[in-house]
Amino acid sequence: LAKTTQPISMDSYEGQEVNITCSHNNIATNDYITWYQQFPSQGPRFIIQGYKTKVTNEVASLFIPADRKSSTLSLPRVSLSDTAVYYCLVGPPFTGGGNKLTFGTGTQLKVEL
Amino acid sequence: EAGVAQSPRYKIIEKRQSVAFWCNPISGHATLYWYQQILGQGPKLLIQFQNNGVVDDSQLPKDRFSAERLKGVDSTLKIQPAKLEDSAVYLCASSRDSYYGYTFGSGTRLTVV
Repeated sequence: LAKTTQPISMDSYEGQEVNITCSHNNIATNDYITWYQQFPSQGPRFIIQGYKTKVTNEVASLFIPADRKSSTLSLPRVSLSDTAVYYCLVGPPFTGGGNKLTFGTGTQLKVEL
Repeated sequence: EAGVAQSPRYKIIEKRQSVAFWCNPISGHATLYWYQQILGQGPKLLIQFQNNGVVDDSQLPKDRFSAERLKGVDSTLKIQPAKLEDSAVYLCASSRDSYYGYTFGSGTRLTVV
């Protein structure tokens, strides 16, 4: 699986837009990019997944440039409840035998008033 | 739909004792995963089941860890004997048949003293 690099921590204030960038220089042609969110004392939760260009859902947007060597998770107007660890994962889609996710250390986002 | 259920939520044991964790995946999910998350790190895959067969246990310390998934539904993870470095959160996750649908439980926090 492609190795990912993301900042260890980020700070923000309520109402601001937060952009977390992930580098994945060795991404393979059939790899997808997926972001998970983890609150203390909970398991990771799926946020968004994409292959190229831009993907948007009710929670976040994911921007992927043409070369796909990086991606940016964008959280609009964050609130205190967005304080969590955010993981960027890269890997192929399900291929029939299940697909294991490999997590890095993630980015600790802290949102303040 | 109901989420992934895990029990107990917390467990404190002395080193060299044994401990077992239980996981009930989302109904209909064929793939089940056990992850170990040490404080400050991302989750690390221990074992992956497809129905009741093991797909990947390459990172499971087999001299002390064992896992089973009887009848392709519930699963148990056992540690015997426990070591201090086993202190971690043990997360169970399940998926139906896609990389997209990966759901984690809240985990069991194990403290070995």
